[in-house]
Amino acid sequence: KQEVTQIPAALSVPEGENLVLNCSFTDSAIYNLQWFRQDPGKGLTSLLLIQSSQREQTSGRLNASLDKSSGRSTLYIAASQPGDSATYLCAAPSRGATNKLIFGTGTLLAVQP
Amino acid sequence: NAGVTQTPKFQVLKTGQSMTLQCAQDMNHNSMYWYRQDPGMGLRLIYYSASEGTTDKGEVPNGYNVSRLNKREFSLRLESAAPSQTSVYFCASRNQGTGSYEQYFGPGTRLTVT
Repeated sequence: KQEVTQIPAALSVPEGENLVLNCSFTDSAIYNLQWFRQDPGKGLTSLLLIQSSQREQTSGRLNASLDKSSGRSTLYIAASQPGDSATYLCAAPSRGATNKLIFGTGTLLAVQP
Repeated sequence: NAGVTQTPKFQVLKTGQSMTLQCAQDMNHNSMYWYRQDPGMGLRLIYYSASEGTTDKGEVPNGYNVSRLNKREFSLRLESAAPSQTSVYFCASRNQGTGSYEQYFGPGTRLTVT
């Protein structure tokens, strides 16, 4: 059974700092891993999806990496801004059912001005 | 292009009442999903529909029913609401089989059962 863990549950950093959010998964036979952002009271916005054949995906100041052998993914945010404050969730496909996602409980990020 | 839309945005029910949450997507996606999100529990899959005409149970299906009305619409029904169903409900869609597996989410329905 796929389990997804995100540590830490909350993170506070000063504006301008580079930071890394962590995501661990138990079943390394995954097709892809997806990172989402959720603002308070809102739905989820897809940030990046990494296919199993890729090691990294980049979008602007965001860079996501995937290491299947160790069961880890990281989301790197460069030069953080107060507007980056949100909850970040990762999700990996369920074992044997690639169209179902298993979500971590998220990391609540606060970027202090 | 509205993406994934959900109605209503908010709802308060009394125990035992029924209601249907509506979801529609205009991206011509094959797969659609219903999740619930609870504090400390993350998002959990209730039901999903891999394609028009098919539905399958997810992690927490008890107390819910779904209907894939057509390719665009996927509804979630609570026949007899219970306080344990107080949650935020999200609908999502994905285009399966094209190599792009991103899921796209609606804005959510905040349901309170008293």
